[in-house]
Amino acid sequence: AQSVTQLDSQVPVFEEAPVELRCNYSSSVSVYLFWYVQYPNQGLQLLLKYLSGSTLVKGINGFEAEFNKSQTSFHLRKPSVHISDTAEYFCAVSPHPGRRALTFGSGTRLQVQP
Amino acid sequence: EPEVTQTPSHQVTQMGQEVILRCVPISNHLYFYWYRQILGQKVEFLVSFYNNEISEKSEIFDDQFSVERPDGSNFTLKIRSTKLEDSAMYFCASSEAGIWFFGPGTRLTVL
Repeated sequence: AQSVTQLDSQVPVFEEAPVELRCNYSSSVSVYLFWYVQYPNQGLQLLLKYLSGSTLVKGINGFEAEFNKSQTSFHLRKPSVHISDTAEYFCAVSPHPGRRALTFGSGTRLQVQP
Repeated sequence: EPEVTQTPSHQVTQMGQEVILRCVPISNHLYFYWYRQILGQKVEFLVSFYNNEISEKSEIFDDQFSVERPDGSNFTLKIRSTKLEDSAMYFCASSEAGIWFFGPGTRLTVL
């Protein structure tokens, strides 16, 4: 079984500041890692994914994440946030991409302030 | 761009009533899923469906839940006798090439 921990339930940040949203996972097998974003009253949109290859992955809207196998982490970063980045961010893992269930973390609410 | 669609966007029902939530996955996808999100909580996996049968389900997916692919396009989740604690946002998803695509969700309110 897998589990995902997002340590920060809320992250307030000022516009144009950098941000890091933390994600740690636990699994007895290799996993594939994802970040999803949920804007208010909307569904889940894929930000980025790590399936294999380079441990630094780039996604949409200027976000990137780094897979660290030794620390079992997949932290999400953005060098300069905008007001429009205000949303809930979910880290998720799966033992097999596209065929097995995704296990989600509890989410981090990013609140960008002017 | 193809997308997963869900109907209705909001369903209000009385406790004990049956509800059917509908989803149209992306047409060439083979794996389908239902997830739910109770207000303020994490997204939880309910069930996955492949080749016209359930391939995986969570402990949440008990006998009051069922899924069906009645035709070539729709994928439904039925809750036979709704409880207050079934109130949540229900997301349908389909997957291909290692990526899950989620629908906008159906908000179910059980009174």
